[in-house]
Amino acid sequence: GAGVSQTPSNKVTEKGKYVELRCDPISGHTALYWYRQSLGQGPEFLIYFQGTGAADDSGLPNDRFFAVRPEGSVSTLKIQRTERGDSAVYLCASSPFSAGGTGELFFGEGSRLTVL
Amino acid sequence: DQQVKQNSPSLSVQEGRISILNCDYTNSMFDYFLWYKKYPAEGPTFLISISSIKDKNEDGRFTVFLNKSAKHLSLHIVPSQPGDSAVYFCAARSKTGTASKLTFGTGTRLQVTL
Repeated sequence: GAGVSQTPSNKVTEKGKYVELRCDPISGHTALYWYRQSLGQGPEFLIYFQGTGAADDSGLPNDRFFAVRPEGSVSTLKIQRTERGDSAVYLCASSPFSAGGTGELFFGEGSRLTVL
Repeated sequence: DQQVKQNSPSLSVQEGRISILNCDYTNSMFDYFLWYKKYPAEGPTFLISISSIKDKNEDGRFTVFLNKSAKHLSLHIVPSQPGDSAVYFCAARSKTGTASKLTFGTGTRLQVTL
């Protein structure tokens, strides 16, 4: 597709369950980012992939969060033992550059996660 | 430790007037600053950016000003239009080796009234 695609757009789950959120970046973009946006806040960095490897995972809040990008394209954010505080919009973004360019990221519409 | 701050959560401006959105930052290592616009239920979309070595960048109705000594940037929209009503995020880029990431402010909700 033309833009960054994220599925599901909405996910409601119960506390303690496992959740996977998927991101399909713009074709040819080597850099992929996951951000989390809580109500009333700006997007908060979680993890960055350059190709298949996680170049920076310093934003992952704890070891319940994990992300993969096995073939350097689609990425999956995995959250184990979900907690109510994990409720947020999870945004995926991609970029054709790594450290070059202007830093512009192209965002998807996000996956809204609600943990009951 | 909030490295990028937008102290005004909301702003209301009349159509045709100038909108000025402000942003402050603390990290002098940021090398690019960007403004993103976000409509409800959509992802943020890029609006305009400025390199840390510049003090002004203009694109149509949008101008971004950077004051490095004050660690302050602002976005001017002239003239403001109703379609500009959205949440505006200031973001700053930092680089570590080959990796780069954006740090966002908390956003300012702009309402352009008729």
